[in-house]
Amino acid sequence: QSVLTQPPSVSGAPGQRVTISCTGSSSNVGAGYDVHWYQQLPGAAPKLLIYANSNRPSGVPDRFSGSKSGTSASLAITGLQAEDEADYYCQSYDSSLSGSNVFGTGTKVTVL
Amino acid sequence: EVQLVESGGGLVKPGGSLRLSCAASGFTFSSAWMTWVRQAPGKGLEWVGRIKSKFDGGTTDYAAPVKGRFTISTDDSKTTLYLQMNSLKTEDTAVYYCTTPLAYSGTYTPDPFYLWGQGTLVTVSS
Repeated sequence: QSVLTQPPSVSGAPGQRVTISCTGSSSNVGAGYDVHWYQQLPGAAPKLLIYANSNRPSGVPDRFSGSKSGTSASLAITGLQAEDEADYYCQSYDSSLSGSNVFGTGTKVTVL
Repeated sequence: EVQLVESGGGLVKPGGSLRLSCAASGFTFSSAWMTWVRQAPGKGLEWVGRIKSKFDGGTTDYAAPVKGRFTISTDDSKTTLYLQMNSLKTEDTAVYYCTTPLAYSGTYTPDPFYLWGQGTLVTVSS
């Protein structure tokens, strides 16, 4: 099991706002390491959605936003759209792990 | 075109070996830090291991479940990344992706993974 915990699923109606948490500890998120977020559509490779806690790569809609506080990070999707239905993963660094890179447990977003 | 293309997946028996390849194009492969990530069927993403560029020492790091069994290497002349997998277990069954930060490399801890391949499926079963 990952050291970064995410809710298994979140859902919302089109147009609504949903948030996904990524809860870590003092050896990863709380130690000040960056958190990145990925979107994985069904049958596709992951796509970088947010990097360094709150930055969007070029081409990512501003409906997606990220934040970090203490030992947790969050991804928010505002104005939810049907095409946002996907799995979302956070990623960070944990100095206590072999290799140190770690992904969150993943969250399935369902658009009702 | 900037891309990564994995190959080499397939069905292998427990205890067997397999070598995956990841052909890179469109960027300076010799300067890139390359990573393997896997995803078991219906499960989440799992970081497998990483190799630094030769300029940065060419060293490797591995996740605990694969350390001592998997080996990552590169051939800069062929712009190709490899994952040699030995002593395979049923729990190694997964889609294996290669990935790299590209322009996002070196500024953040950890590096974010910007460019991904399409993945190749490895099935370990008797």
